[in-house]
Amino acid sequence: EIVLTQSPATLSLSPGDRATLSCRASQSVSSYLAWYQQKPGQAPRLLIYDASNRATGIPTRFTGSGSGTDFTLTINTLEPEDFATYYCQQRSHWPLTFGQGTRLEVK
Amino acid sequence: EVQLVESGGGLVQPGGALRLACVASGFTFSSYDMHWVRQVPGKGLEWVSTVDSSGKTFYAASVKGRFTISRENGKKSFYLQMNSLRAGDTAVYYCARDQPLSAIYFDVWGQGTMVAVTS
Repeated sequence: EIVLTQSPATLSLSPGDRATLSCRASQSVSSYLAWYQQKPGQAPRLLIYDASNRATGIPTRFTGSGSGTDFTLTINTLEPEDFATYYCQQRSHWPLTFGQGTRLEVK
Repeated sequence: EVQLVESGGGLVQPGGALRLACVASGFTFSSYDMHWVRQVPGKGLEWVSTVDSSGKTFYAASVKGRFTISRENGKKSFYLQMNSLRAGDTAVYYCARDQPLSAIYFDVWGQGTMVAVTS
């Protein structure tokens, strides 16, 4: 099973800042990685797939990068609605696995 | 509007059974792979099971042999039959649609249904 490790666990920033979230895989997943955003009481929302492709309707301030074992989600110029928990997910190997999440909170 | 609506959650005793259902609308259901993902309240996401458009099924090790996923294309629905339930199965269960062409990412989610396994 591929283990995805996200860091940091919690990130405290202010609106207008840039957020950088990391996801590291225990073995190569090529570019088969997605990022999701989840707000309290809501289902997750797909942001990025195949490491760097924005899903439909996702603002351009969300950027994904990386390949192999190291991936980054960058959120430029944080908006108030961006404060949430973010998960990475790999689809390179069964079973599908998620990272444990990074909580982005208001500083 | 593309939508998924789950039902069937509830309170059950250890060793009991539940059947979750997810009804789809707004897209050609038969063409898509479909998934169940669960989340213990306050914790992370865990993939549970997948049924692809041909009916092939996949399971997480933690539920294999106890849970069965199935689909009925004519009813635009798919299901998760959960048997021999354990306390560790307590979670919110989400149904989710795969991206087109079996990308194995989850692009549409239901609202979730809570399953609580307790004596």
